[in-house]
Amino acid sequence: QQQVRQSPQSLTVWEGGTTVLTCSYEDSTFNYFPWYQQFPGEGPALLISILSVSDKKEDGRFTTFFNKREKKLSLHIIDSQPGDSATYFCAASNYNVLYFGSGTKLTVEP
Amino acid sequence: NAGVIQTPRHKVTGKGQEATLWCEPISGHSAVFWYRQTIVQGLEFLTYFRNQAPIDDSGMPKERFSAQMPNQSHSTLKIQSTQPQDSAVYLCASSLAGSTGQLYFGEGSKLTVL
Repeated sequence: QQQVRQSPQSLTVWEGGTTVLTCSYEDSTFNYFPWYQQFPGEGPALLISILSVSDKKEDGRFTTFFNKREKKLSLHIIDSQPGDSATYFCAASNYNVLYFGSGTKLTVEP
Repeated sequence: NAGVIQTPRHKVTGKGQEATLWCEPISGHSAVFWYRQTIVQGLEFLTYFRNQAPIDDSGMPKERFSAQMPNQSHSTLKIQSTQPQDSAVYLCASSLAGSTGQLYFGEGSKLTVL
């Protein structure tokens, strides 16, 4: 089920720094791309999402970028905080199944 | 408002035994998804119901796994003859608008097969 590839597997950044997570996909019918955040012992929760008709969406410190030509998307977190430490999943859907990437475990060190 | 409720939170079974996992979606949500989460494979799609009807079960291992949604308030995932490789966290999610709407996940059922 490698529909969505995500990197890096893990990442450590300092408090206040910028975090960049990336994903790529192959299926050109995918048109909806959410990012989910998961804390230990909890289920994933929607963080931000973008449709294929857009190339950028911001929500506070979180911005997702979408490049349709290259079939890539990214999540940028500015002013990263220790509370952002979690596992982040990108995902892709074509109105049917939502496929998830393998996740990036982010640690923000104070 | 209660979120997605999954029971049991933890289940330990012996190899070859049956395991049944329960999910109660958020009231009013028409879509229910099951995923399996492991460290190695990440979040794997298993199956998807919309308005209680099975829509896509392409992620389900064919022989020992089955899922049902007998009514709008619960879904079950049954694993027969459990194997150690079935050990995982099984996550249920519900959505108002299918896979392009926000999925609300439960906390998961952690299955350990000895």
